[in-house]
Amino acid sequence: GAVVSQHPSRVICKSGTSVKIECRSLDFQATTMFWYRQFPKQSLMLMATSNEGSKATYEQGVEKDKFLINHASLTLSTLTVTSAHPEDSSFYICSASQSLGTGELFFGEGSRLTVL
Amino acid sequence: GESVGLHLPTLSVQEGDNSIINCAYSNSASDYFIWYKQESGKGPQFIIDIRSNMDKRQGQRVTVLLNKTVKHLSLQIAATQPGDSAVYFCADSTSGTYKYIFGTGTRLKVLA
Repeated sequence: GAVVSQHPSRVICKSGTSVKIECRSLDFQATTMFWYRQFPKQSLMLMATSNEGSKATYEQGVEKDKFLINHASLTLSTLTVTSAHPEDSSFYICSASQSLGTGELFFGEGSRLTVL
Repeated sequence: GESVGLHLPTLSVQEGDNSIINCAYSNSASDYFIWYKQESGKGPQFIIDIRSNMDKRQGQRVTVLLNKTVKHLSLQIAATQPGDSAVYFCADSTSGTYKYIFGTGTRLKVLA
């Protein structure tokens, strides 16, 4: 099946710094990628939809300036958590779909961010 | 608004028994549904999907049932094994959109 790779899997940073998380589709082109956030023992919350070559579409309540998303190519989307604070600590997961609208979502392994 | 929820937050079953995980959705326009399995510290893994033109679909040891009348989805796991222990999420979407709404999740514990 299709593979989506996320990097890094774990990152610890100091408060006030920025962290970049990469999401790559390894064997298919992903016009659209999705970024989710997951708190412990909770479900996945969609943060934004990342479209190749255009601006990301953010869900209500998600700060665009806080969570910068770039989808520079058909195989790479990045999420940058800017000026990170302890409350940004979470599990961030990306996904991609080969077909728009409906179709299986392929998920990355997730990136656990801890902000000290 | 749209929502997908699960009736049972935790389900404990004896190894070898069948498991049934339930999910309710509210968007009558949803026409595609997926079940995912998530192990601790990992991303979700696809289990099985079903489109709204079907009411049942079977995979290997898993069966998904869709009841559009009451907007209910269930995942049945036959002969549950210790490796099935995980959190299970349902998600729905509507043709023409890219958004998948995830339920709250059910933790399945398999007892030896």
